[in-house]
Parts: sequence; C-alpha cells; structure tokens
Amino acid sequence: DTEVTQTPKHLVMGMTNKKSLKCEQHMGHRAMYWYKQKAKKPPELMFVYSYEKLSINESVPSRFSPECPNSSLLNLHLHALQPEDSALYLCASSQIGANEKLFFGSGTQLSVL
Amino acid sequence: KQEVTQIPAALSVPEGENLVLNCSFTDSAIYNLQWFRQDPGKGLTSLLLIQSSQREQTSGRLNASLDKSSGRSTLYIAASQPGDSATYLCAVRRTGFQKLVFGTGTRLLVSP
Repeated sequence: DTEVTQTPKHLVMGMTNKKSLKCEQHMGHRAMYWYKQKAKKPPELMFVYSYEKLSINESVPSRFSPECPNSSLLNLHLHALQPEDSALYLCASSQIGANEKLFFGSGTQLSVL
Repeated sequence: KQEVTQIPAALSVPEGENLVLNCSFTDSAIYNLQWFRQDPGKGLTSLLLIQSSQREQTSGRLNASLDKSSGRSTLYIAASQPGDSATYLCAVRRTGFQKLVFGTGTRLLVSP
C-alpha cells in the first residue's frame, strides 16, 4: 500500500464553523506533513510531525491546529477560518533518513465562505 | 534563504518530442532534490529523488540530473506523450533542514 488517503475531498465551510481534515497512511512512514497550495502556486509547508511529535510549525495562524494521534493518522482542525484560507490542503508522508521521498495524498479542496 | 526557480513557466510541444525542464536553486548545500508531477486539482506524485551525492536518476522515459556546484537540476522527458501533460515541480531539501522548498513549476502541454 503506497497511498496517502485524505478525507474529505471537498469541504465548504463558513467562517464560524469547526471542521477537521483527515489523513492516513499505512506505509510505516514516521514523518507526516501538511501543505497548503493556492491555485497556480507551489505548495507551502505548514506543519511537520516526526515520530508523532510536532517538529516544524511554519508560523501558521492558530485557527489551524494539527494533531497526530498515532503514526498512521494526521488531522488538521479548522476553526474560525477566513476566506483567504480557501486552498488545496495536501497531506504527505515519508520515511525519516536517507530515502525521504514524499508521498502525497490527493488533497482536500477547501472553500471558506 | 533557499530560492528555487523553474524555467520555462509553461511549455507546449507536439507528441514525440524530447524535452528538458530546468530547476535552479540558490543554496548548493542541499540534502536531496525531488521532481514531482501534479495534475490539475490533484496531489503531487513523486517522479525521481536525487541524493546530494548522486549526479542523476532514471525512471523509464524520465532522467533527472543534478549539478550542485552550479545550483541546477534538469528533468529530461523522452518521446513525450499527451499523458505527460501536467505541472512539473522540483523541490529541494537543504542539509540540516526537514523542509522541502518547492520551485515555481513548469506547466507542460503535449499535443497529439
């Protein structure tokens, strides 16, 4: 199994809603990532978890809250988002070490109204 | 600060042509470089990963080269096909950092 599975594929939410994005992998990878991608732009790193601990937070606003319940799961909790947060949110995973090829999920297309 | 640039931004070729995509980076102290492909509205698919000690990697019709001293990588696609149409992104990981820095991407269109 070389897949990273993200749910939901599409999400529309109001600025007062609370929602969560989910990501799962069963490749035994111990690093998991959240990226944000605006249209026609490259992905921008948001968070990195290594061995289930947050290792990188790229100064992301607190309305985005990551969680790594175990080595296979990664969540991104969303609260009080702004319309400018509308984007494709990508999850990725990799081994830690020499072969750090990233495997990406297909993403969640988020629209904030 | 590592900056990654890709030229050209867009490329349109007829089917069957061999083509080269370019990636430039400003800091040569890299750990590895990856090439990805992205279809519209989809996630990224890793194509090739080159470690800093390597000069090239090959997979099928794809060949990626790395020249750290000049801060350049190229992705060579042989005998292009319409199914190769996508955005191609290179990404660099600096030594000592876990973060990948992505290039600006090249949108490729291969016409039948």
